[in-house]
Amino acid sequence: DGGITQSPKYLFRKEGQNVTLSCEQNLNHDAMYWYRQDPGQGLRLIYYSQIVNDFQKGDIAEGYSVSREKKESFPLTVTSAQKNPTAFYLCASRAAGGFGGELFFGEGSRLTVL
Amino acid sequence: AQRVTQPEKLLSVFKGAPVELKCNYSYSGSPELFWYVQYSRQRLQLLLRHISRESIKGFTADLNKGETSFHLKKPFAQEEDSAMYYCALSLMPKTSYDKVIFGPGTSLSVIP
Repeated sequence: DGGITQSPKYLFRKEGQNVTLSCEQNLNHDAMYWYRQDPGQGLRLIYYSQIVNDFQKGDIAEGYSVSREKKESFPLTVTSAQKNPTAFYLCASRAAGGFGGELFFGEGSRLTVL
Repeated sequence: AQRVTQPEKLLSVFKGAPVELKCNYSYSGSPELFWYVQYSRQRLQLLLRHISRESIKGFTADLNKGETSFHLKKPFAQEEDSAMYYCALSLMPKTSYDKVIFGPGTSLSVIP
């Protein structure tokens, strides 16, 4: 069953703790993305990666970090430096190099900071 | 800076009425534009893309470069169209990096 898998679906964290959200895809896509979804603000781009061992900051990268050691994996770490981490996080991927390529999304991870 | 705007947060229409969801973008290069939809309890998914010039579920969208708009239209709204709609802009053709940004979204409610 091809697609994108995010885990965990729900996560609770105490203030001051780092937490890592997992994103795995078996679509053989080169490009992967992390978005944050907040009511009224839509999807805001956190980080994106076009190839292994390379990634770029999006519009709201502060307080987040990523790695891209394998093509199929793009984990996101929400660090204690992120001032307002409670949100819904979406991972997506698409084939790079093509015009009009569709983004495929995971089901999302909801992070709550207690 | 690149930006996507959707002026309506909420849009309510009666079943059978025409619907138009507005999207404007700012980008100096050649835009690659999409509409994505999120139905209740489902994943975000592609509705249509401008290069395909296709009609999906009765929806169409035309890219107007002069007005920098990509409005989504449907002549007769159906109850199953109730969902959250996002306009998206890809910078892939212009830059070396495959960046995709989204607008704030419009929640469409079709009243029976």
